[in-house]
Amino acid sequence: GENVEQHPSTLSVQEGDSAVIKCTYSDSASNYFPWYKQELGKGPQLIIDIRSNVGEKKDQRIAVTLNKTAKHFSLHITETQPEDSAVYFCAAAGSSNTGKLIFGQGTTLQVKP
Amino acid sequence: DARVTQTPRDKVTEMGQEVTMRCQPILGHNTVFWYRQTMMQGLELLAYFRNRAPLDDSGMPKDRFSAEMPDATLATLKIQPSEPRDSAVYFCASGLSTGGFEQFFGPGTRLTVL
Repeated sequence: GENVEQHPSTLSVQEGDSAVIKCTYSDSASNYFPWYKQELGKGPQLIIDIRSNVGEKKDQRIAVTLNKTAKHFSLHITETQPEDSAVYFCAAAGSSNTGKLIFGQGTTLQVKP
Repeated sequence: DARVTQTPRDKVTEMGQEVTMRCQPILGHNTVFWYRQTMMQGLELLAYFRNRAPLDDSGMPKDRFSAEMPDATLATLKIQPSEPRDSAVYFCASGLSTGGFEQFFGPGTRLTVL
């Protein structure tokens, strides 16, 4: 079945710096790759997603890139702010077209003021 | 502002007791997922439904867990009997199968089994 690996598990950056989180997936038929942000005591919130027919997608300070050949995708956050501090999860939708997502293990991002 | 709602938000119970968690998906969504989150295992998919029919519950311990959708506005996850190892945060998420794979999560139920 699908497996998603996420790195790093923790990331600390200074306010204003960029942060990059990387994920790899195993099922070459996966075609949907969302990123979720989870703040303390809350449920994961979808922040950006990308489909397999697109290589890059950007939304203000957040961007996601996808390399289907290498089977990896990345989240880029520019000009980080303290409110970006949270746990970030990547996920991949498997090839069964059921909508089932396989999640990475999460990255705890700390942005220091 | 459409949201997934979950009740209760917190539940403390003793080992052996029955626990029922409820979820109200976003109106119009036809797919419902139940996840369990622990520090060790991350986000685990327990079960999911489409149009109220169970599609996959292979992530659930069958002997003690059960999931149902009595109607389109209510999904339940029941544990009987509960055990300390069931302590975790349980999330419900909903989505629309014709709209792609987006899933929207509820706030979770934090379960503590003593």
